[in-house]
Amino acid sequence: QKEVEQNSGPLSVPEGAIASLNCTYSDRGSQSFFWYRQYSGKSPELIMFIYSNGDKEDGRFTAQLNKASQYVSLLIRDSQPSDSATYLCVIQGGATNKLIFGTGTLLAVQP
Amino acid sequence: DVKVTQSSRYLVKRTGEKVFLECVQDMDHENMFWYRQDPGLGLRLIYFSYDVKMKEKGDIPEGYSVSREKKERFSLILESASTNQTSMYLCASSLSGAQIGELFFGEGSRLTVL
Repeated sequence: QKEVEQNSGPLSVPEGAIASLNCTYSDRGSQSFFWYRQYSGKSPELIMFIYSNGDKEDGRFTAQLNKASQYVSLLIRDSQPSDSATYLCVIQGGATNKLIFGTGTLLAVQP
Repeated sequence: DVKVTQSSRYLVKRTGEKVFLECVQDMDHENMFWYRQDPGLGLRLIYFSYDVKMKEKGDIPEGYSVSREKKERFSLILESASTNQTSMYLCASSLSGAQIGELFFGEGSRLTVL
């Protein structure tokens, strides 16, 4: 089992819809969870982080964390074509504090 | 505006050449990282530094070395470049503690080894 798993996609959603990106992880002791967005040919940029169970909202983005089920998700409301990118889930391991990257989900928002 | 600057965006080198990739950050961050990114493999950590002159091996350190003589500068060295080191190299920095995962990335250095 991979330490951090994401569906590679592409996830295709129509403009204005909600995009739901999911990530599961294997280390039960993980403490910190991050979502990065990476446009084609560009570097990753941090868009959300979450440390506690539940939801965290920032504009059109909501991060959801469920430690019991070991998953973290990112919801993008009112998706725009400019949201089309690869979204990377990053977990900070519990024992080692090591950052573990998922391989990313490609999101395509269709106009 | 916070910034991580990588010295070269594109490099073409020959097998066996020594390659230096430099990274400078202006945010007074304690942590600096070198990753490589390859299609289908995601980001893989090469080396990590949590302080001046301190370094830790990442997941794929073979064939690489690093240097951190000043807090703001972290260099990646390929002693003898090989074709399997053709990749996108990304430098990142972050604060220590709980914010270690809040990474700021440079624009990347695309290295081609012929």
